[in-house]
Amino acid sequence: GAGVSQSPRYKVAKRGQDVALRCDPISGHVSLFWYQQALGQGPEFLTYFQNEAQLDKSGLPSDRFFAERPEGSVSTLKIQRTQQEDSAVYLCASSRQADYGYTFGSGTRLTVV
Amino acid sequence: KNEVEQSPQNLTAQEGEFITINCSYSVGISALHWLQQHPGGGIVSLFMLSSGKKKHGRLIATINIQEKHSSLHITASHPRDSAVYICAVVSGAQKLVFGQGTRLTINP
Repeated sequence: GAGVSQSPRYKVAKRGQDVALRCDPISGHVSLFWYQQALGQGPEFLTYFQNEAQLDKSGLPSDRFFAERPEGSVSTLKIQRTQQEDSAVYLCASSRQADYGYTFGSGTRLTVV
Repeated sequence: KNEVEQSPQNLTAQEGEFITINCSYSVGISALHWLQQHPGGGIVSLFMLSSGKKKHGRLIATINIQEKHSSLHITASHPRDSAVYICAVVSGAQKLVFGQGTRLTINP
């Protein structure tokens, strides 16, 4: 596709439920990033893939968060046993390679009730 | 202290005014991005800078590497420019470190 596609756009989860957020990057983009943006804050780094390799997962806030990109294209961010503090917009971005610009998806707004 | 600081946090101006948003950072960077985020919308990349100045339409971005400072200027501002403008730096292994954003409102 022409841009980075994220789905779903909105997700309401009950506390304790598992969720899976999908990111479909621009075809051929090697680098893929996940960011978490709490209300009124700037995005914060979660994790980074280069192709299928997860090179940095230092931003994942707990072991309830897990990300994968098994074939080096589509990525899934999974959150187990969701908590209210997980409520945020989850942004995905992709880049052709280092030092190139980033293209962001529209984000998934997760609300945990 | 945040690694990337923006000022002001909120800015309200009248249509036609010249707008300046500032960004200071404290880490070594390979590039700096200016991004635009509309309410409920995704993030659009405006500029990527590693030195000097870039211009696109009514938007101008400058960076001073020695002073670790960048500015985003909007000339002849318009209500459709109302959005959150975010400065983000590429530090280390490609990941972006974001400022907290500047909420700009342009009144007609």
